[in-house]
Amino acid sequence: SQTIHQWPATLVQPVGSPLSLECTVEGTSNPNLYWYRQAAGRGLQLLFYSVGIGQISSEVPQNLSASRPQDRQFILSSKKLLLSDSGFYLCAGPGSAAGELFFGEGSRLTVL
Amino acid sequence: AQSVSQHNHHVILSEAASLELGCNYSYGGTVNLFWYVQYPGQHLQLLLKYFSGDPLVKGIKGFEAEFIKSKFSFNLRKPSVQWSDTAEYFCAVNPSGGGADGLTFGKGTHLIIQP
Repeated sequence: SQTIHQWPATLVQPVGSPLSLECTVEGTSNPNLYWYRQAAGRGLQLLFYSVGIGQISSEVPQNLSASRPQDRQFILSSKKLLLSDSGFYLCAGPGSAAGELFFGEGSRLTVL
Repeated sequence: AQSVSQHNHHVILSEAASLELGCNYSYGGTVNLFWYVQYPGQHLQLLLKYFSGDPLVKGIKGFEAEFIKSKFSFNLRKPSVQWSDTAEYFCAVNPSGGGADGLTFGKGTHLIIQP
């Protein structure tokens, strides 16, 4: 069965510092992968998705970027964090049926 | 592009009360519909889904949802809630057939069940 690992689980960073959140997927090959951000009262906002190595689609303009260096690895990055980047970041991959998503346990980022 | 609206951001109920959480979507074509749940301290997990067929779908832990095409709605229901149902609930949609661009989520409903 599929598992999604996210690292780190919790992160506190100062404004202006860089960011790297990692997502690795096991139990599936060539998956579509997604980064969502969950902010209080705002639901889940799709940030990026990737259909394969080196292929990234961005849904909203922002201070973040994503990369897919390997089939099962999806990385969310920033060169300089803003206060507004604080939130709960969720990585997702394909679920058991077409269109369904399976989520990792998330990374909570606090920018001070 | 599709959108999802959840009517209530916060709902407080007593144990054994009946639950109905509203969800409406906006999309011109056929859709797949989902309810996800996030229990405190846990990751987001699938509660139930509708792809086609019987518009009344049953999920885990006694939850069900009814797809009403004419109303663009997919409301979540449970006849008798338990304290353990305290969680955040998200409705989501994507076009039928999936597609690569993921799910569109509503803003969520925070449900608190008082013992």
